[in-house]
Amino acid sequence: GAGVSQSPSNKVTEKGKDVELRCDPISGHTALYWYRQSLGQGLEFLIYFQGNSAPDKSGLPSDRFSAERTGGSVSTLTIQRTQQEDSAVYLCASSPLILSGNTIYFGEGSWLTVV
Amino acid sequence: AQSVTQLDSQVPVFEEAPVELRCNYSSSVSVYLFWYVQYPNQGLQLLLKYLSGSTLVKGINGFEAEFNKSQTSFHLRKPSVHISDTAEYFCAVSDSGNTPLVFGKGTRLSVIA
Repeated sequence: GAGVSQSPSNKVTEKGKDVELRCDPISGHTALYWYRQSLGQGLEFLIYFQGNSAPDKSGLPSDRFSAERTGGSVSTLTIQRTQQEDSAVYLCASSPLILSGNTIYFGEGSWLTVV
Repeated sequence: AQSVTQLDSQVPVFEEAPVELRCNYSSSVSVYLFWYVQYPNQGLQLLLKYLSGSTLVKGINGFEAEFNKSQTSFHLRKPSVHISDTAEYFCAVSDSGNTPLVFGKGTRLSVIA
């Protein structure tokens, strides 16, 4: 596609429910990143993929968070048993390669509210 | 691991006045530095980046930044701001190890008419 596409754009869920957030990167981009943006906290790195492989999962906040990428394209971030502190904007980005210095291109985010 | 400090969380400035948004990073042998901007209700987009060469980097919308290795800084400047520059600005850094960008907490620039 023309840009990074994320869905849903907004999600309100009840505490304890599971949620799935989807990211469709720019066509041909092999690197894909998930960040979380909370008020006053800036952008927190969660995980990145090079192809379908995730070399660094250390940014995931807890074992309730998981992510996968299939076919080197679409990625899904799953949050199980959501908590109120999970409320944030989840941003996906992609770049042609993971190489440092590459510009990464962001989607508009998925705004998650846990009530 | 790299870290980025944006010293000001909010910067109010009058229209047509100059502005400087400060960014400092933790030291490393070589770094790549970025400024991203997030306009209200939009995604982040690249303003400018420093990879190598001239320490003064020019970006979109009249912004520029200067890489200062001795002070480990990459401050963003604009000589005359417009109302449309109101946004959140993020400084980011990566090292030469093919690692993802590390972002600062952002500076909210508010331009006042």
